[in-house]
Amino acid sequence: DGGITQSPKYLFRKEGQNVTLSCEQNLNHDAMYWYRQDPGQGLRLIYYSQIVNDFQKGDIAEGYSVSREKKESFPLTVTSAQKNPTAFYLCASTTGVNEQFFGPGTRLTVL
Amino acid sequence: RKEVEQDPGPFNVPEGATVAFNCTYSNSASQSFFWYRQDCRKEPKLLMSVYSSGNEDGRFTAQLNRASQYISLLIRDSKLSDSATYLCVVNTLSSGSARQLTFGSGTQLTVLP
Repeated sequence: DGGITQSPKYLFRKEGQNVTLSCEQNLNHDAMYWYRQDPGQGLRLIYYSQIVNDFQKGDIAEGYSVSREKKESFPLTVTSAQKNPTAFYLCASTTGVNEQFFGPGTRLTVL
Repeated sequence: RKEVEQDPGPFNVPEGATVAFNCTYSNSASQSFFWYRQDCRKEPKLLMSVYSSGNEDGRFTAQLNRASQYISLLIRDSKLSDSATYLCVVNTLSSGSARQLTFGSGTQLTVLP
C-alpha cells in the first residue's frame, strides 16, 4: 500500500538534546513538507522540499533542520535551539499544488 | 490579521442538524481552496476541494466567494461520525515562488446523539 510513514509515533526528549523525526513516502511524490501543530491551532509550515537535494524554509524554520538526499525520505531534526519544541509534527507529500497526503504524525514532548 | 480565519467554534449540534462553517482568507491571489477533516489526535485528510461554482459531495456542500474572499462548508443531516475538526485550507504562492497550503486553526464539531 502506498502512503507516508512517520516514526516514532511518540518521542520524549530532554532539554538540550537534538532529535530526528523520520518521514518516508512510497507515493513517488516530488514535494514533501513538515508542519507543526499546537493545541487549538492550525498547521504551520516548518520546511518544504520540491525536489531531491533542495529544500526551503517555511514560516517557522528556526531551530529546525532538514535534508532531502532521497526522493522517499525527508527527515526533520529538532535542535536544542528550538525553544518550544513540544508539539505534534506532521509530514506531508504531494505531486502538485492540490491535495497533500499526511503521515500519522509524531508527538514530541520535551521533559 | 491571520491569512486564513475560521469560526472559532466549538459547534455542538444534535444528530440530523444542518451546520455551516465559514472561513475568510486575506490573500486575494489565492487560487485553490479546500476543506480538510482532522479527527482527534490524527492527521488531516482532504474532505473536498472548493470550486468557484460551488460543489456538493453527498451531505457536504462547499462554496467560494472570491469577491468577499470567503469559503463555506455546509453539512446536512449531521451524523455522529461527522464529529471532527474541520480545517479551511488555502493554496497561495509563497515568497519562494512555491505554492504552499495555509491552514486555518480549525473549527471543532461535535454531533450529539
